[in-house]
Amino acid sequence: DQQVKQNSPSLSVQEGRISILNCDYTNSMFDYFLWYKKYPAEGPTFLISISSIKDKNEDGRFTVFLNKSAKHLSLHIVPSQPGDSAVYFCAASVGPGGTSYGKLTFGQGTILTVHP
Amino acid sequence: ETGVTQSPTHLIKTRGQQVTLRCSSQSGHNTVSWYQQALGQGPQFIFQYYREEENGRGNFPPRFSGLQFPNYSSELNVNALELDDSALYLCASSLDGSHEQYFGPGTRLTVT
Repeated sequence: DQQVKQNSPSLSVQEGRISILNCDYTNSMFDYFLWYKKYPAEGPTFLISISSIKDKNEDGRFTVFLNKSAKHLSLHIVPSQPGDSAVYFCAASVGPGGTSYGKLTFGQGTILTVHP
Repeated sequence: ETGVTQSPTHLIKTRGQQVTLRCSSQSGHNTVSWYQQALGQGPQFIFQYYREEENGRGNFPPRFSGLQFPNYSSELNVNALELDDSALYLCASSLDGSHEQYFGPGTRLTVT
């Protein structure tokens, strides 16, 4: 039962262009979403998050959009840089008070390659 | 501020053996979560410890067990190792079990 899905295993973009990574979820109890970046031989690094009461959160070059009705979120990276090349994971969690609070459910990941 | 550390980095064990993995949480964090990441997959939640008590468990058998110590460091123990236990084991710390978790570099376990 894959509750969080990243349907694109890989994405290739040119330096300076926009990278758009997508994520879908099925569990309507999820109300907090996070994006992590992972380089080889390192643990996932927290990038950006969004609560379900918002539909957009921006931090520098990174913006996350949430469409609750479609159970879909996306991460936009503008402009993309070669150093952004990594595996990106989408994760979801239920809110405070839920029995699964703070337990992250991850997607399978998308490998982003940014070409110079 | 010290980040999350894990030991050992790599480990090779034989089927049927037992293994203990260790994690030191980021300073100021009182919650530790453990995840298993199989090749080509996202991390999968094993369990979480908050103030030395287990605070939730994923779909893993009882041979996966853990401990959290008063200094908030943690151990993951796996008994009767199986070939499918070969994976990257990630530890993440947070404050009061919050969503935003900070991961260590992981321990790569190979079971032969």
